[in-house]
Amino acid sequence: AQKITQTQPGMFVQEKEAVTLDCTYDTSDPSYGLFWYKQPSSGEMIFLIYQGSYDQQNATEGRYSLNFQKARKSANLVISASQLGDSAMYFCAMREPLRSGYALNFGKGTSLLVTP
Amino acid sequence: DTGVSQDPRHKITKRGQNVTFRCDPISEHNRLYWYRQTLGQGPEFLTYFQNEAQLEKSRLLSDRFSAERPKGSFSTLEIQRTEQGDSAMYLCASSSTGLNTEAFFGQGTRLTVV
Repeated sequence: AQKITQTQPGMFVQEKEAVTLDCTYDTSDPSYGLFWYKQPSSGEMIFLIYQGSYDQQNATEGRYSLNFQKARKSANLVISASQLGDSAMYFCAMREPLRSGYALNFGKGTSLLVTP
Repeated sequence: DTGVSQDPRHKITKRGQNVTFRCDPISEHNRLYWYRQTLGQGPEFLTYFQNEAQLEKSRLLSDRFSAERPKGSFSTLEIQRTEQGDSAMYLCASSSTGLNTEAFFGQGTRLTVV
């Protein structure tokens, strides 16, 4: 069975600073995928970044990067140069295989507040 | 707007009533998912369609929950005989076929059962 753990219920960061949001996971599947989504107060889940278990390099997408440490089973999201608009809930998720296709197994999320 | 759209955005219903939510996925996506999100939790997977076929429905929370995607385009999620515990955000997502493709989510339908 899979498990996604986000241990930080809430985080604060000052505008323009970098912040790291933690995610640890557990799975017995050697092939897996990890996703990060942002959920602003409007409710929509916005895809940020993806890391595959066999990817040789850590994923990056603009100001978002993933600090993937496979041996430690962690996939932390790093947001550089925080902006006020980054204030939102952030969810780490793992691809969960189904009989045909896959779903996403989400952690409980971390609330990020960016202050001026 | 070419994203995933859900209707209604908010629904208040009395306990015992039936409710139906609609999801229109991104047009070229053949996979469609329903999730439920309660306060303080991440989304929880409910069911999944590939085209019109419902390939996974064992995670629907009870037999009061059902979903359809009759022509492989829009989908509906119905909850019969609603209970207060059904109050939650119901999220729809769609994706194309592929192992590493991300799912795109709608803004959700917030259900309140009074």
